[in-house]
Amino acid sequence: GAVVSQHPSWVICKSGTSVKIECRSLDFQATTMFWYRQFPKQSLMLMATSNEGSKATYEQGVEKDKFLINHASLTLSTLTVTSAHPEDSSFYICSGGAGANVLTFGAGSRLTVL
Amino acid sequence: GQSLEQPSEVTAVEGAIVQINCTYQTSGFYGLSWYQQHDGGAPTFLSYNALDGLEETGRFSSFLSRSDSYGYLLLQELQMKDSASYFCAVRRSNYQLIWGAGTKLIIKP
Repeated sequence: GAVVSQHPSWVICKSGTSVKIECRSLDFQATTMFWYRQFPKQSLMLMATSNEGSKATYEQGVEKDKFLINHASLTLSTLTVTSAHPEDSSFYICSGGAGANVLTFGAGSRLTVL
Repeated sequence: GQSLEQPSEVTAVEGAIVQINCTYQTSGFYGLSWYQQHDGGAPTFLSYNALDGLEETGRFSSFLSRSDSYGYLLLQELQMKDSASYFCAVRRSNYQLIWGAGTKLIIKP
C-alpha cells in the first residue's frame, strides 16, 4: 500500500529557532500533499495544500511567511516553522493522495517549542 | 460555511455494536470519509462513500445519505483495540478534506 514517511517524529526546539519537517511519498508520486496541525483532543486543521512545482495554497488564518512549504519534487514536501514560539507547539501531519479517494498520512511530527 | 457534526464521545461494551453519526454542511461534496486515530498516532483510512447506501468492510460499515447530508460509521463486534477517535471528513475536491471534530470511542470490557 501507499506509504508516506514523515520525520522527525518529534522535535524540541528553543523559541525563535526554525524547524523543518519532511514528508516523503515512498511508493507513489504525490503532486499534491496536505499539511495539517492538530492540538490535543482536537480535530485536524488543514493548514495548506502543497503543490509540486508551484506555490502552496494556505488556508485562511495561516501565516505563509511563518509556515514555509516547499514541494520541489513529486515525492517530497517540506514544512518549515520559522521563528517558532511556544504557541506553535502542536502535532503536524502531512498526507498525500495515493488513490482516488484515500489519503495516506505520515506518522506525524510532534513539535515542542520551549 | 463548512461544518460537520459528530458526537464528541461514545461509550460501548466489548462485543457490542456502535454507530457514530455525522451530519455535514459544506460547499462542494464528493464523498464522505471515515478515519480512525489512536492516541498519539496519525489517522488511518477506514472507508469512503460517494454514493448513497451502505459500504461494508469487515466489522466496519459506513452509510451515506446525500439528500439528508448524513452518514454514519457502524462498528460491530467491538474489540478493545477499537478504542480510538473516529473522524468523518467530507471530500471537497482534489483529495482536500473538511474534518469533523472527532468522536472518542470508549470501549468497556
